Amino acid sequence: EIVLTQSPGTLSLSPGERATLSCRASQSISSSYLAWYQHKPGQSPRLLIYGASSRATGVPDRFSGSGSGTDFTLTISRLEPEDFAVYYCQQYGSSPWTFGQGTKVEVK
Amino acid sequence: QLVQSGAEVKKPGASVKVACKASGYSFRTFGISWVRQAPGQGLEWMGWISIYNGNTNYAQNFQGRVTMTTDTSTSTAYMEVRSLRSDDTAVYYCARDRPTTSYKNGMDVWGQGTTVTVSS
Repeated sequence: EIVLTQSPGTLSLSPGERATLSCRASQSISSSYLAWYQHKPGQSPRLLIYGASSRATGVPDRFSGSGSGTDFTLTISRLEPEDFAVYYCQQYGSSPWTFGQGTKVEVK
Repeated sequence: QLVQSGAEVKKPGASVKVACKASGYSFRTFGISWVRQAPGQGLEWMGWISIYNGNTNYAQNFQGRVTMTTDTSTSTAYMEVRSLRSDDTAVYYCARDRPTTSYKNGMDVWGQGTTVTVSS
């Protein structure tokens, strides 16, 4: 099983700042089958990025994904008030598909 | 969109079957994944079923205890969990997923979630 480790656990930032979230895999993720999801309390998760760097439909361009192999990054260029949430990475290249433990982006 | 069935309260050892009805897209050309979130915990992938070719892929934690099925006549996916335990208490989500594992698209449409409470 591929274990995904996200860091930091919590990121305290102000609106307008840049957020950089990391996702490290215990083994190489084949063909960049890596996605990022945003999850707010009381809502369903939302797909942001798939294939490591492709933005899902309707996702603002302040969200970007990068990386390959075992190291992946989600960057939010300028935080908007609605971006404060928990973010999960997920690999779906090797069964079982697994999620990281999440990074909470909170208001500083 | 995906609309899930309502909240359930079950006793330990019982079974629960959650429904997920799809509309607004061609049900047969995608798959459905099921993901759960226990109170205070992160997201946990449970498994995937392809409506396109009938293939399934279950997380090892759930193999033998979970069955995913679909009814194409009503565009509905189902997930049944048997031998429920208190640690199965969670919000269960269905999500539209890729039709085969060769695609890279992620889970792009989600149901609203179904709360399952297991308590004696």
